Amino acid sequence: ETGVTQTPRHLVMGMTNKKSLKCEQHLGHNAMYWYKQSAKKPLELMFVYSLEERVENNSVPSRFSPECPNSSLLNLHLHALQPEDSALYLCASSQGKQENGYTFGSGTRLTVV
Amino acid sequence: LAKTTQPISMDSYEGQEVNITCSHNNIATNDYITWYQQFPSQGPRFIIQGYKTKVTNEVASLFIPADRKSSTLSLPRVSLSDTAVYYCLVGLTGGFKTIFGAGTRLFVKA
Repeated sequence: ETGVTQTPRHLVMGMTNKKSLKCEQHLGHNAMYWYKQSAKKPLELMFVYSLEERVENNSVPSRFSPECPNSSLLNLHLHALQPEDSALYLCASSQGKQENGYTFGSGTRLTVV
Repeated sequence: LAKTTQPISMDSYEGQEVNITCSHNNIATNDYITWYQQFPSQGPRFIIQGYKTKVTNEVASLFIPADRKSSTLSLPRVSLSDTAVYYCLVGLTGGFKTIFGAGTRLFVKA
């Protein structure tokens, strides 16, 4: 257990469905992130939240919508996804700029059918 | 952007020392070097971080030459469970300028 918990671990959804991925960190960190990892590709940073505010937003399609209810929770709302969005979605947290880098959760394996 | 270059894959045998080198020619003055380990269907796990010279912890050592244009992760006496992908990350945690590369796939054989 890393201190970053993601649910669900696996998700299968249709292209017309709406679903949400959830992430909770128990480390007291002040920043949280969503990453996407497609098969045989490097991790892609999608969203960054620091102190509950979105700091940067990489060019991610609007069918992905992040939400940060408080400093320990981060959600990713999914709507009208495409099959190419199937991937491992990883949540991470960090404290400060360096301090042992990122702590990742185990991820949600998403399959869009 | 601090681009990194690592070997795509490496093979080793149990009990050997493994050294994985990462090139980062355009590293910035404020950038740190961080290494992560990732097993299939899991998130990357922090291994070690350094700025210059040598850093050692209970699982690995990190060697950084004076010009900081490269770094070497050293894993002493690897075991089968060290089979994983290893990523070298250069930059400040939390920014879009800090990018995960393709990593090095290490395969440890009995």
